[in-house]
Formats: sequence, structure tokens, C-alpha cells
Amino acid sequence: DAGVIQSPRHEVTEMGQEVTLRCKPISGHDYLFWYRQTMMRGLELLIYFNNNVPIDDSGMPEDRFSAKMPNASFSTLKIQPSEPRDSAVYFCASSPRQGVNTEAFFGQGTRLTVV
Amino acid sequence: AQSVTQPDIHITVSEGASLELRCNYSYGATPYLFWYVQSPGQGLQLLLKYFSGDTLVQGIKGFEAEFKRSQSSFNLRKPSVHWSDAAEYFCAVGPQAGTALIFGKGTTLSVSS
Repeated sequence: DAGVIQSPRHEVTEMGQEVTLRCKPISGHDYLFWYRQTMMRGLELLIYFNNNVPIDDSGMPEDRFSAKMPNASFSTLKIQPSEPRDSAVYFCASSPRQGVNTEAFFGQGTRLTVV
Repeated sequence: AQSVTQPDIHITVSEGASLELRCNYSYGATPYLFWYVQSPGQGLQLLLKYFSGDTLVQGIKGFEAEFKRSQSSFNLRKPSVHWSDAAEYFCAVGPQAGTALIFGKGTTLSVSS
């Protein structure tokens, strides 16, 4: 398997524009997580899905952020409108169903810069 | 509330010297514990994990970690550091496998020659 695939790897956008980040989890994984990494706050969980259903979105900072998982192989994180303080690295991760010896597998991240 | 504390923001170690990165967690029940490593511009790679059993766990790249329930700690160790170990290291705790991990803020390791 190619692992968790995120696109784009880098995104530069102007304030006020809509940004869509994409993630393809590892096939067969039931859980998908979106994290945001900044220098100040470290790695923060934004939202996670189980079997395509959002389970916990309490980490989503504002209504400007939304995430969807229309099927088991694709998820998006959308920011509309984007602001400079949204600049960060956004990671997607996936995990198999609950059980022994499971952990989260991370993509390489999308570095977002909002100017 | 669950939390993870990594007290050291930045550590510098000489190549060949031993390494210990500290991690303390706060969780009511028996936690699942993880150490991840992040190289510049890369995602997070799992080094090792503890779910139950032997409290000393071995991971990849010669790393090990010891779970100490009495101290709520899960410190990462390596007997001899290589220059390629320079990276950022994250400790994480999860309530059970497959649910969301909570990460510490990370420790940046620099290796001097």
C-alpha cells in the first residue's frame, strides 16, 4: 500500500479564498483523522471519522472549517474563507479498526500558507 | 482530561552518546502509549508503542521506551545516537487503539559531532 496520501503537499493562497485539502487513507482502515501542526500549539486533533461518520469534531476551530468523508477512500478538509492564522501543516492519518497493535499512520502533510 | 507533557523542547546530544527523551501523561485508565518521529518536511513515523505486558518495549532504529505506571511516564531511550536521529519526537496517548491520539508538543533532537 502507498500509505496515506495527501494533496497538495504545499498550498499558498490569499486571505479570503477557499482552500480544500485532500486525503486518501490506507485501504481497509476504518478511522481517519485530521490534525493541524503549528509551532505554538503543536499537533492538534481537528476531527476524526469512523466508517466515514464524523465522531468528534470538537477540535475544529471555527465554522470556517469543515470536513467530509464521502466514502472510505477519500476525505476533504475545507477552509472557507481562509485567514493568515490558518497557516500550518495539516496532517491526515488513518488507523485500522480497534484491536491490538494498531496505531495511526500519517500522510506527509499539506503545508498551507495563507497570505 | 487526558494530556501529554514533554518537558524538554530542545535537546542536543553528541553523536554516540546516550539519549533519553521524557514523556509524562495524564489519563485515568491504562493508556495506550506511542512515540513518533518526524523528520523535516515529513509526516510522523511510529517508533514504538505500548499496549500492555512487558513495560520495556523495543522499537525501530534501536529505540526503546519504558512504561512506568507509578510515575505516569513513558520515556524514550537510545544507547548511542546517530546523526540521522536528529528530528522531532512526539509522545502520544490514546484511550484505546483506533481512536484519536493526543500528542505532546514534541522534543527537537539535535545531534552534534
